[in-house]
Amino acid sequence: AQSVSQHNHHVILSEAASLELGCNYSYGGTVNLFWYVQYPGQHLQLLLKYFSGDPLVKGIKGFEAEFIKSKFSFNLRKPSVQWSDTAEYFCAAHNFNKFYFGSGTKLNVKP
Amino acid sequence: DAGITQSPRHKVTETGTPVTLRCHQTENHRYMYWYRQDPGHGLRLIHYSYGVKDTDKGEVSDGYSVSRSKTEDFLLTLESATSSQTSVYFCAISDPGRGYNEQFFGPGTRLTVL
Repeated sequence: AQSVSQHNHHVILSEAASLELGCNYSYGGTVNLFWYVQYPGQHLQLLLKYFSGDPLVKGIKGFEAEFIKSKFSFNLRKPSVQWSDTAEYFCAAHNFNKFYFGSGTKLNVKP
Repeated sequence: DAGITQSPRHKVTETGTPVTLRCHQTENHRYMYWYRQDPGHGLRLIHYSYGVKDTDKGEVSDGYSVSRSKTEDFLLTLESATSSQTSVYFCAISDPGRGYNEQFFGPGTRLTVL
């Protein structure tokens, strides 16, 4: 079965700092990859997705992610975070009708 | 936001009682999913459906059953609720066949089993 690992469980940054959240997946075949964000008390919302093509994917709110097949990684980045980016971030992989989620990374941005 | 509603949004129940959670969608998506979200575990798949009356188990299906008698509704039943089933439950939908490869999530149901 597929598995998704997020190694940063809790990240604290100051506003304007750069962000990189790690995500690794286990399946070596064709896989679709996603990053979701969950603001406090809300449901998950899609930030960006990768299916094929350009490995650098741009999403909403200035986020981007890079798919590196050789490293089984799909790390999320943002050059300059804002206080409003405080949320929990989930990486997910999809194959064979199922989605597999990482355990999440809580990001706390200090004003 | 996608047209997904969950009911009830909050529920407190006692150990041993049956509980049914409802997910309703207006998007006509083929796939529907039930997840539970617990601190440190992310989202874990309970059951999913790939069509009316077609369902399959996820990684944490013990103690849960589902039914889908029409496209728009996906019910999750806890046969006999236990305290370990206290969690936030999210429904999600997708439809890769129509280009909706990502999942869209409902607002969640917070269930407390005393």
